[in-house]
Parts: sequence; C-alpha cells; structure tokens
Amino acid sequence: GAVVSQHPSRVICKSGTSVKIECRSLDFQATTMFWYRQFPKQSLMLMATSNEGSKATYEQGVEKDKFLINHASLTLSTLTVTSAHPEDSSFYICSARKPGQGARWNTGELFFGEGSRLTVL
Amino acid sequence: EDQVTQSPEALRLQEGESSSLNCSYTVSGLRGLFWYRQDPGKGPEFLFTLYSAGEEKEKERLKATLTKKESFLHITAPKPEDSATYLCAVQAEFNKFYFGSGTKLNVKP
Repeated sequence: GAVVSQHPSRVICKSGTSVKIECRSLDFQATTMFWYRQFPKQSLMLMATSNEGSKATYEQGVEKDKFLINHASLTLSTLTVTSAHPEDSSFYICSARKPGQGARWNTGELFFGEGSRLTVL
Repeated sequence: EDQVTQSPEALRLQEGESSSLNCSYTVSGLRGLFWYRQDPGKGPEFLFTLYSAGEEKEKERLKATLTKKESFLHITAPKPEDSATYLCAVQAEFNKFYFGSGTKLNVKP
C-alpha cells in the first residue's frame, strides 16, 4: 500500500474565514491528486483534479475561486476554502494517484487521506 | 457513457454468512478496477486492484474477481468488524476514475 496524510482531520471556523486543508503523499510521488466532497450517506463527489505544477481542473459546478487548489510539489496538494459559509460544511477527502510500474505505467492506484471534517459556524 | 454501479446498496449478514457484493461497469478502455473499504468518518482504505478479466485477488476473508463487465467482492464467513461501506472504482483514462455509490455492509454478531 501507500500512505496519504490529510490535515487537519477536523476544523471549525467562523463564517467568512478561509480554511486550508493539506494532503501529502508520504511514501511516493504523486503528479496527480484529487479532491472530493462527501455528503452523509453518499459516495464521493469529485471536486477537482490537481496536477503538480499546473492549474487544477475543476468539475462542473465547482467554483474555482471558492475552492483554491495548489499542487506545488510532488507530495503536497492543498485545498483552501475561501470565505467559508455554513453550506460549505462537509467532509473533504483527498486522494493521490500512485503511478503503476513498468508496463502498467499508465495505470494508477488511488490512495486516500483520512478526510477533513469542516464545520462553518 | 462511463458508469459504475454497485449492488446491493445495503447488505445485512449474520456473522459467518458468506455473500458477494457486485460492481458492474460500462467503461471504454478499462485500465484498472479498485475496491476500497470506508468506515464512517474516514477516508477509503485501499483493498485490491484488478487489471484484467479473470484476475483474482485475496486478502483474509475478502476475495475480488473481475470479468469484462463486472467485479465481485466475495466475503467469506464475515465478522462484525467487516461492517463498512465498500466502494468500487474504475480507471478509464489516465486520470479518470469513476466511483460506484457503495455497498453498506452490516454484519451482525
């Protein structure tokens, strides 16, 4: 397996403030990381694809100015929720794609962080 | 349209009662199929990767199999600690992963 660390695991903030969540691949280099949002009893909703050294690709309906993504190194991607509002309260999860080996270079297993529970008051 | 469907949505088993979870997919150019386990309030935990039809992987009480249209996650003699939501995902293109909605498994002692 592989290890992806996400921090913080829980954060409570006031409405109007910004919150940054970090996602680190600890034992492999990840050119691609993904950010998801998960609502109670629902599956993962992809928000954006984060590529190292380039701009993130956002899914339809996700505000790029609201959810700022930075992937400055091969082991770190950050998600900043700007001017947070109560409706942004959710469980945010990141994943990192570990490249396949040899002939499977174009495949990739996804390893997930532990998730971050954001509560906006 | 690329799609991943998991069934059943929920499954209740008695401890020791074996069963299977299904993941069917319609994806062009399958590069890999993945199974994950997710506990409440946590990120998904990687279980298996399957790359081609006929492939099988095993881990403790779990066994994953793959055909050209679907994958099964067989659970043999489950225990209460196997209770979780099991997610299936498919890699279609280099960075395109499609997730099923999951099967919530509840194993009663």
